[in-house]
Amino acid sequence: NAGVTQTPKFQVLKTGQSMTLQCAQDMNHEYMSWYRQDPGMGLRLIHYSVGAGITDQGEVPNGYNVSRSTTEDFPLRLLSAAPSQTSVYFCASSYLGGTQETQYFGPGTRLLVL
Amino acid sequence: GESVGLHLPTLSVQEGDNSIINCAYSNSASDYFIWYKQESGKGPQFIIDIRSNMDKRQGQRVTVLLNKTVKHLSLQIAATQPGDSAVYFCAEGSGYSTLTFGKGTMLLVSP
Repeated sequence: NAGVTQTPKFQVLKTGQSMTLQCAQDMNHEYMSWYRQDPGMGLRLIHYSVGAGITDQGEVPNGYNVSRSTTEDFPLRLLSAAPSQTSVYFCASSYLGGTQETQYFGPGTRLLVL
Repeated sequence: GESVGLHLPTLSVQEGDNSIINCAYSNSASDYFIWYKQESGKGPQFIIDIRSNMDKRQGQRVTVLLNKTVKHLSLQIAATQPGDSAVYFCAEGSGYSTLTFGKGTMLLVSP
């Protein structure tokens, strides 16, 4: 298994540009999520999904859109990038319920908005 | 402990010492708690978890203690090694797998 993969690893955008951060997992996990991590901060939840066709907002959803058309993929879209969105973005996935509640994280995408 | 502003609290230990990293959580209704390790340039990696009906759980070289009375979680690492140097996060969750993360503690292990 490749686990959770994210592309790109690094990206530089100009203010106002749009882009999509890709996330895929091959573990058949129902739950997928996007976090952002800023210096000296923990991870903050942007959006999450409990299955294909179902998404919901996390703690900091403004400026981001998501969709979940398949179990495997959970892309994060920045519609009009702002310098405040400079951050490291992590995608994560896990099984729902039961005793396996640990999330597996991808390697991250480092985004700089100028 | 929890960070203030942009600066992570840092714990510096010698190789071979035992390390204790602390975390205060906020939600008394959380069902489970997880410790993650994050090395520089990588995503968080699961270390150990504990459910709210337990007060202690042991893994390989790690022990998590949960004190629900004061909403406190700790991670003990035995015989700390240079490879343990990283940022450690606690996280709390309930129901579906939505987690709330602490701000992290940096552990520095010197040989």
